Amino acid sequence: AQTVTQSQPEMSVQEAETVTLSCTYDTSESDYYLFWYKQPPSRQMILVIRQEAYKQQNATENRFSVNFQKAAKSFSLKISDSQLGDAAMYFCAYRLHGSSNTGKLIFGQGTTLQVKP
Amino acid sequence: DTGVSQDPRHKITKRGQNVTFRCDPISEHNRLYWYRQTLGQGPEFLTYFQNEAQLEKSRLLSDRFSAERPKGSFSTLEIQRTEQGDSAMYLCASSLVGGRTDTQYFGPGTRLTVL
Repeated sequence: AQTVTQSQPEMSVQEAETVTLSCTYDTSESDYYLFWYKQPPSRQMILVIRQEAYKQQNATENRFSVNFQKAAKSFSLKISDSQLGDAAMYFCAYRLHGSSNTGKLIFGQGTTLQVKP
Repeated sequence: DTGVSQDPRHKITKRGQNVTFRCDPISEHNRLYWYRQTLGQGPEFLTYFQNEAQLEKSRLLSDRFSAERPKGSFSTLEIQRTEQGDSAMYLCASSLVGGRTDTQYFGPGTRLTVL
C-alpha cells in the first residue's frame, strides 16, 4: 500500500525568507503524481504544485518549487520569499497515474506553516 | 466556473441521528470524490464516482454510510445512526478525467459534530 509521511508537524519562517517542507512516500509503482496542497485556516484546500513522476525536471510555480528525488522517494516543497498569506497547513499527496485508476489521493499528516512578520 | 460547493458547511447532531450532506461539483467534471478529515490530520479517501457510478469504497465507509450521485451531477453522503467517532470534516472534490489535467478541486467541506 502507498503511504505518505510528513515528519514536520509544524514549521515557522520569517516573512521574506525561504522554507522547505519535507515529504517522503512509499510505493512500488513507477507512474504516479505527487502534489502539495495548501489548506488555510477555515478555508478550502487548494493545489499548490504537482509533479509527474516520469518527469525529471522539478516543478515550479512562481515562489513554489519542489525537489523531487524519485529514487529516495522524497518530495520537498520550497517556498521562497515567504508571505503572510502562505500561513496554512500544507499536505503532501500521492496518486497513481492513469484514467483506469481511481485517482484517489493519499495524503500525509500535514505540516502547519507559521509565517512571522 | 463556480467551483465545488458543499452544503451545509456545519452540522451539529445528536448521536443516533441521520445526517445528509450535499456536494455540487464543477459542472463539467465527471469524477467526484468524498474524503474525511479529522482534526490535525490529512484527508482520507472514502469513495468516488465516475459519472453516476460508484466505483470504489474505502474500508472506512461502514454500512452506516451511503453515497449517491444521481444523473452524474451532485452527490449526497448520508450517515445513519451517527456516532461520536463520525465527527470530522467531510470534503468533496471533483475532477475531469480525460481532460488536459485531472487535478482534483476541493469544496469547503462540511464540518460534522456529533454530540
